[in-house]
Amino acid sequence: DAGVIQSPRHEVTEMGQEVTLRCKPISGHNSLFWYRQTMMRGLELLIYFNNNVPIDDSGMPEDRFSAKMPNASFSTLKIQPSEPRDSAVYFCASSLAERSTIYFGEGSWLTVV
Amino acid sequence: GDSVTQMEGPVTLSEEAFLTINCTYTATGYPSLFWYVQYPGEGLQLLLKATKADDKGSNKGFEATYRKETTSFHLEKGSVQVSDSAVYFCALYNAGNMLTFGGGTRLMVKP
Repeated sequence: DAGVIQSPRHEVTEMGQEVTLRCKPISGHNSLFWYRQTMMRGLELLIYFNNNVPIDDSGMPEDRFSAKMPNASFSTLKIQPSEPRDSAVYFCASSLAERSTIYFGEGSWLTVV
Repeated sequence: GDSVTQMEGPVTLSEEAFLTINCTYTATGYPSLFWYVQYPGEGLQLLLKATKADDKGSNKGFEATYRKETTSFHLEKGSVQVSDSAVYFCALYNAGNMLTFGGGTRLMVKP
């Protein structure tokens, strides 16, 4: 079975450029999460969706970050404009229902120079 | 709000040593508890979980028991291997569909 699929796996971009990260959750899962991992802050929940609807975006650091889930099988996290401090690993994760196991993708490793 | 506290690393052990990584939590209600493992360059993988008090989760020789009286979920393994070197995250899953992670503990096992 395919797990959570993220793309790109690695991206290096210049400051000021737009970055779009993509995620395909596990088929049938109705909850989707975006996390950011850095050495300084560890794992941070940015936003999560339930049935394609954003439920909690309080972790989104600022207006430069936006996330969408147009359908049950696709989500994007966009950073515009990007800054060097956005360099991190961004993980997408999905789960079937409340209190069920959350499965993570392999992450998108972003470097903004 | 909910929180998870785990011991800071790195934890460095020799192969075949006994491992304990402490994890305590603060939460209202009855959360589910998890240990995730992250190998270098990879995403997080579920290692084990427990959904109610006194449950023991186990996988790949690792164990953790949900202790409500001490609000703890310590990870143990009797004999670690070099391949166990990774970062281990304790987490809780509570009402509201949110997974709260601890800061992670890096384990380094030397041959």
